[in-house]
Amino acid sequence: GENVEQHPSTLSVQEGDSAVIKCTYSDSASNYFPWYKQELGKRPQLIIDIRSNVGEKKDQRIAVTLNKTAKHFSLHITETQPEDSAVYFCAASGSYQLTFGKGTKLSVIP
Amino acid sequence: GAGVSQSPSNKVTEKGKDVELRCDPISGHTALYWYRQSLGQGLEFLIYFQGNSAPDKSGLPSDRFSAERTGGSVSTLTIQRTQQEDSAVYLCASSTQGANGYTFGSGTRLTVV
Repeated sequence: GENVEQHPSTLSVQEGDSAVIKCTYSDSASNYFPWYKQELGKRPQLIIDIRSNVGEKKDQRIAVTLNKTAKHFSLHITETQPEDSAVYFCAASGSYQLTFGKGTKLSVIP
Repeated sequence: GAGVSQSPSNKVTEKGKDVELRCDPISGHTALYWYRQSLGQGLEFLIYFQGNSAPDKSGLPSDRFSAERTGGSVSTLTIQRTQQEDSAVYLCASSTQGANGYTFGSGTRLTVV
């Protein structure tokens, strides 16, 4: 089955700096890669996703890149703000089910 | 409904007791998933329903865990003879298109004492 590795497990950045979270996956058949944000005590929420026929996707301050050859994808957050502080999960899927990474706790220091 | 509803939001139970966790998906969502989130861990897949059928139960940790879905809607996750290691947040998600567009519920925090 699919295996997703996510790094780093924790990340602290100064407000206004950029944050990058990286994930690798094992199943070359995977073709859908979403990112979820989970604030403390709340449900995970989809923030951006990318499909295997696209190399990069942007939505305001967040972007995701995908390298299918290397089987890795990354989340980039620019101009970080305190409200970006949360746990971020990457995931991969080739069919009906998402396999998640273990999460990255992002802290944005004002 | 407007979102995925889970109940109860919190459950404290004694070791050895049975518990039932409920998930009410978004109306019209045929796919339903249960995940478990332990402290500091990722989301561990438990079971997938398509309609009332469960084509993938591979994530259920032991035979103490079972789940059903009726009417293509509400699902119940049952844990028998609970153990302390069952303590976790149990998340339910539903979607119209399999892995694309999961919407999660707020979860049930289960504590076994």
